[in-house]
Amino acid sequence: GQNIDQPTEMTATEGAIVQINCTYQTSGFNGLFWYQQHAGEAPTFLSYNVLDGLEEKGRFSSFLSRSKGYSYLLLKELQMKDSASYHCAALDSYYQLIWGAGTKLIIKP
Amino acid sequence: EAGVVQSPRYKIIEKKQPVAFWCNPISGHNTLYWYRQNLGQGPELLIRYENEEAVDDSQLPKDRFSAERLKGVDSTLKIQPAELGDSAVYLCASSSGGPYNEQFFGPGTRLTVL
Repeated sequence: GQNIDQPTEMTATEGAIVQINCTYQTSGFNGLFWYQQHAGEAPTFLSYNVLDGLEEKGRFSSFLSRSKGYSYLLLKELQMKDSASYHCAALDSYYQLIWGAGTKLIIKP
Repeated sequence: EAGVVQSPRYKIIEKKQPVAFWCNPISGHNTLYWYRQNLGQGPELLIRYENEEAVDDSQLPKDRFSAERLKGVDSTLKIQPAELGDSAVYLCASSSGGPYNEQFFGPGTRLTVL
């Protein structure tokens, strides 16, 4: 079966760094997305990785290891506005996006 | 540039009633998605269109759900009859250039079935 695993909830302090992990099992693999979703709002795109390695985009970075079926999202210099749910989603061989349940990130002052 | 537009934003109906949701994607986006999202879960794909063709509707409960995308632009998702378990947020998203590209989501329609 197809499965995405990520922690349900994480807590971090404003100004700190947090890493949200994701493991995936899919029928084939065509890349991995990270989306941010604030409460009551629609998801917004953060990153897409298809090759192994780290992609940096401002305060946010995303890492992929295809051999391990593993990705993480790294958020630096946390701000209160980063409080949101972060969804990992893998694109399978049928080009269907399989979404994780999301990690609710709580930022404390 | 306008984003993805959805209406209505909220809908409350009684079970067994029909309901329809409308979506207008970003201009020029040939791919359109309908998702259902339950509280505390990730979006679940219902149907994906490439222009006016439904290329993936494997997750659409076809006994009660239907969708159309006439002329390859805006789209309508219908539920008839609605059941209590259909209460969720229905999201529409669009993208250009296929599944490798980021999806832009509309604000969603929050459906409550009583």
